[in-house]
Amino acid sequence: RKEVEQDPGPFNVPEGATVAFNCTYSNSASQSFFWYRQDCRKEPKLLMSVYSSGNEDGRFTAQLNRASQYISLLIRDSKLSDSATYLCVVNKGYGGATNKLIFGTGTLLAVQP
Amino acid sequence: DAGVTQSPTHLIKTRGQHVTLRCSPISGHKSVSWYQQVLGQGPQFIFQYYEKEERGRGNFPDRFSARQFPNYSSELNVNALLLGDSALYLCASSSTTGGIGNQPQHFGDGTRLSIL
Repeated sequence: RKEVEQDPGPFNVPEGATVAFNCTYSNSASQSFFWYRQDCRKEPKLLMSVYSSGNEDGRFTAQLNRASQYISLLIRDSKLSDSATYLCVVNKGYGGATNKLIFGTGTLLAVQP
Repeated sequence: DAGVTQSPTHLIKTRGQHVTLRCSPISGHKSVSWYQQVLGQGPQFIFQYYEKEERGRGNFPDRFSARQFPNYSSELNVNALLLGDSALYLCASSSTTGGIGNQPQHFGDGTRLSIL
């Protein structure tokens, strides 16, 4: 079983749609959680960190459920420019010893006009 | 401020050769990590260095090695290259080593390595 699992997609949605990405992780000791965005043939870029209380940044909302080891990302009113691969990322760092990001395979989002 | 910079951007090698990839972290960042991204997959962790010491190692063979210099820049070395080493090699820097509340990592543009 992969340490971080995501639906690879692709998700094809019309402009203005709401789309949800889900992710599960296997290591209950994981410390930090992120969503990264990666455009084709580009480097991953941090979209947002994910906190247990849930957090929102404009049209983007992230949720973490530690009990279920589940992370989600919701994009509202999707734009053409949201088309990219969305990577679920878990940090296995323990008390400052290491800073090891474990990536899911990514979910490809294609927003259609 | 400059972000993470990597060189070269593209590289073509043949099987059996060795390669050195370079990375300069964001100014003030002391932690550098290396990742390998094969087409269609998420990045895979190779190494993490902090204050010139190796702090983490992924599941890669001994052909892969790295080091960090006093100015916090880093090199990734790969010996005896195989066709399967063809990938995008990403360097990321962060301001802390990790743990609860650690800062996220910021990636460079990567080095695209092709093995013929």
